[in-house]
Amino acid sequence: DVKVTQSSRYLVKRTGEKVFLECVQDMDHENMFWYRQDPGLGLRLIYFSYDVKMKEKGDIPEGYSVSREKKERFSLILESASTNQTSMYLCASSQGRRGIGPQHFGDGTRLSIL
Amino acid sequence: AQSVTQPDIHITVSEGASLELRCNYSYGATPYLFWYVQSPGQGLQLLLKYFSGDTLVQGIKGFEAEFKRSQSSFNLRKPSVHWSDAAEYFCAVGAAGGYQKVTFGTGTKLQVIP
Repeated sequence: DVKVTQSSRYLVKRTGEKVFLECVQDMDHENMFWYRQDPGLGLRLIYFSYDVKMKEKGDIPEGYSVSREKKERFSLILESASTNQTSMYLCASSQGRRGIGPQHFGDGTRLSIL
Repeated sequence: AQSVTQPDIHITVSEGASLELRCNYSYGATPYLFWYVQSPGQGLQLLLKYFSGDTLVQGIKGFEAEFKRSQSSFNLRKPSVHWSDAAEYFCAVGAAGGYQKVTFGTGTKLQVIP
């Protein structure tokens, strides 16, 4: 079974802090994704990566950056956290370079910015 | 750009009753379509997917979905709902040939009453 592990289930940080959310997958998937989930808005794509050291902006990249130094790990960085970044963050991975494969999700990190 | 509409925010059904969750998509070419389910406090789990071929797709947990190109729809059905089906359901559309960018709907929350 594919396992996508997010480092924290709950996280509380203060405005202005630099925040790191970590995600690790164990199935050698090429593609990894970061979404945020807010009530009534569904999932919105922040960034995705289709290879090591590669990244692509999603629909809402402002205020975020990502890092993918190893194939299995994809980090989301909030450079200077703000209260409007309080949300549920979901990481996902999928295989296949140009085709569409099902995404496998972690259990999410509920982030609160005070 | 692709988009997905789930017109029902919240649906309540009785246990044992049939279920249909609606999904309409917008995409110029043949889409890749998915249904995911999210139980409280967890990530999303793939229920089923449509890539090509038979327009009636069987998934896990007794769910099925039918792709209707003429109506741009991919509705999810289950003949008899169980209390454990209470969850939030997301429809998603992907672009064939792209780098796996998938657009999610805003979700339908299913409540099951005894």
